[in-house]
Amino acid sequence: GEDVEQSLFLSVREGDSSVINCTYTDSSSTYLYWYKQEPGAGLQLLTYIFSNMDMKQDQRLTVLLNKKDKHLSLRIADTQTGDSAIYFCAPKSRGYNFNKFYFGSGTKLNVKP
Amino acid sequence: KAGVTQTPRYLIKTRGQQVTLSCSPISGHRSVSWYQQTPGQGLQFLFEYFSETQRNKGNFPGRFSGRQFSNSRSEMNVSTLELGDSALYLCASSKTGQGAYEQYFGPGTRLTVT
Repeated sequence: GEDVEQSLFLSVREGDSSVINCTYTDSSSTYLYWYKQEPGAGLQLLTYIFSNMDMKQDQRLTVLLNKKDKHLSLRIADTQTGDSAIYFCAPKSRGYNFNKFYFGSGTKLNVKP
Repeated sequence: KAGVTQTPRYLIKTRGQQVTLSCSPISGHRSVSWYQQTPGQGLQFLFEYFSETQRNKGNFPGRFSGRQFSNSRSEMNVSTLELGDSALYLCASSKTGQGAYEQYFGPGTRLTVT
């Protein structure tokens, strides 16, 4: 299977930018996803990037992909207290019948007012 | 559009018992995947069903099984429960399970085994 690594914690002040990083091992990953999980809830799909892209912007979210280094990052601009949650990186492997997602351990983002 | 629903939300069982969890996907979604989430192991893929057929399976023992019905609703069964099966079980649905494959997750079923 794939190994996906994320740092466990990140703490920022409200209004600052947050950058959450992820490294993965499977170079055949076609789509790379970011999910958000709030306490007591399931996962919410935030955004994703196709492996032939370097960057994708979606309102306050910017995803950067360095395919050579197998490094993915999620930048949240103007971070708000409502952004406090756990963020999961999830690469998806190639293939029609190989729809397995490998999730990282999650990065807990704490936004201080 | 209603989201993914899971029932029950909370469950307490005793070691050795069996349990069945239910998942209703978003209307029109034919792929349903199940995940186990624990503090120690994180999120782990259990299996995926598409059109009533198990299409993918994770590395879990045979005590974990599932099925999907013709209306795409899915059930997951765990037999001979062990303490280590205590976890949040998440179900996710997707339209086809191809390409960009946007998965939408339910709120989960919190299973506690005593």
